[in-house]
Amino acid sequence: GQNIDQPTEMTATEGAIVQINCTYQTSGFNGLFWYQQHAGEAPTFLSYNVLDGLEEKGRFSSFLSRSKGYSYLLLKELQMKDSASYLCAVRFLSGGFKTIFGAGTRLFVKA
Amino acid sequence: NAGVMQNPRHLVRRRGQEARLRCSPMKGHSHVYWYRQLPEEGLKFMVYLQKENIIDESGMPKERFSAEFPKEGPSILRIQQVVRGDSAAYFCASSFDKRDYGYTFGSGTRLTVV
Repeated sequence: GQNIDQPTEMTATEGAIVQINCTYQTSGFNGLFWYQQHAGEAPTFLSYNVLDGLEEKGRFSSFLSRSKGYSYLLLKELQMKDSASYLCAVRFLSGGFKTIFGAGTRLFVKA
Repeated sequence: NAGVMQNPRHLVRRRGQEARLRCSPMKGHSHVYWYRQLPEEGLKFMVYLQKENIIDESGMPKERFSAEFPKEGPSILRIQQVVRGDSAAYFCASSFDKRDYGYTFGSGTRLTVV
């Protein structure tokens, strides 16, 4: 079956760096996504990885290792507004493309 | 270019009533996905539709739930005879192509069953 694991909660300090890990088990892997979701709001797309390696986009970077079924989201120079849930999602091919989401990691940024 | 529009934003229904949730995808998008999110939980896939077709409904409960995406008009997620366990946030997402880099989500409909 398909499964995604990520930590439930993390706390970090403003200005610091935080790494949010995600492991997955799936067949027919076709890409990994990270979304940010503030409480009571819709998820917003952050990053997409389909090949191994690091994708950098401003303060956010995402890494993928397909052989290990592992990804991480790296947030640099943390700001208070980064307090949110971060959802790891995997797209796979199963009769058609489907995307499943992990339960999300709630990040608390403290001053 | 308006984003994905969902309405209503909040919906309160008594047990046994019907709930209708609407989703208008982004202009030019023909792929629509519905997800359900329970409090403190992740998004659970429900159904994937293209215009006039249900592509994948493997996440839909077998009873009381149905979805459509007609040729004209928004996609509708319909829940008949709602129960308290149906209380959740229902998000709709759309994409131009099934292999798009990422979905654009609507603001969601928060259904409360009393």
